[in-house]
Amino acid sequence: EAGVAQSPRYKIIEKRQSVAFWCNPISGHATLYWYQQILGQGPKLLIQFQNNGVVDDSQLPKDRFSAERLKGVDSTLKIQPAKLEDSAVYLCASSLSWDGASYEQYFGPGTRLTVT
Amino acid sequence: GDSVTQMEGPVTLSEEACLTINCTYTATGYPSLFWYVQYPGEGLQLLLKATKADDKGSNKGFEATYRKETTSFHLEKGSVQVSDSAVYFCALSDDDYKLSFGAGTTVTVRA
Repeated sequence: EAGVAQSPRYKIIEKRQSVAFWCNPISGHATLYWYQQILGQGPKLLIQFQNNGVVDDSQLPKDRFSAERLKGVDSTLKIQPAKLEDSAVYLCASSLSWDGASYEQYFGPGTRLTVT
Repeated sequence: GDSVTQMEGPVTLSEEACLTINCTYTATGYPSLFWYVQYPGEGLQLLLKATKADDKGSNKGFEATYRKETTSFHLEKGSVQVSDSAVYFCALSDDDYKLSFGAGTTVTVRA
């Protein structure tokens, strides 16, 4: 079974530029998560989708970050405009569902963003 | 809110040495506890988990026991290999099934 795919793997941009990350979850997984992992810290949840609806976006900085999951499969996370403090690894994860026995999350390799 | 505190690294060991990574948690409910591992260049992988007090999770020679009285979930392995070099994350999931991670501990095993 194919795992969670993410692209690009690395991105370097200047502050105030925009950037987008793409995630393709495991086939059949209804729930998709985006995490931000700053160097030296554990991943922090940014947004959680169930199919194409948002379950939780309480930690998403909505003035500059946006995410969508059209058709309940692939997802994109966008930052516009980027700030220096956005430098981090952005992880995508998916799970069969978001509660009960099916909530084990499978993670992609991440996108490392450097903002200069 | 829920939080996880784990032993700071980095940790450097020789092959066949014993490894212990301490993890303590704070939660309002009765959380499930996890250890995730991140090998170089790869995504996070679930290593083991425990869903209730006194449960022991085990996988690949690693073990961790859910201790409610000490709010701990320490990761142990009796004899490490070079291939165990990775970053290890302790995490918890409370009633809302959301994961809260510790800061991670980098482990390097030397031949």
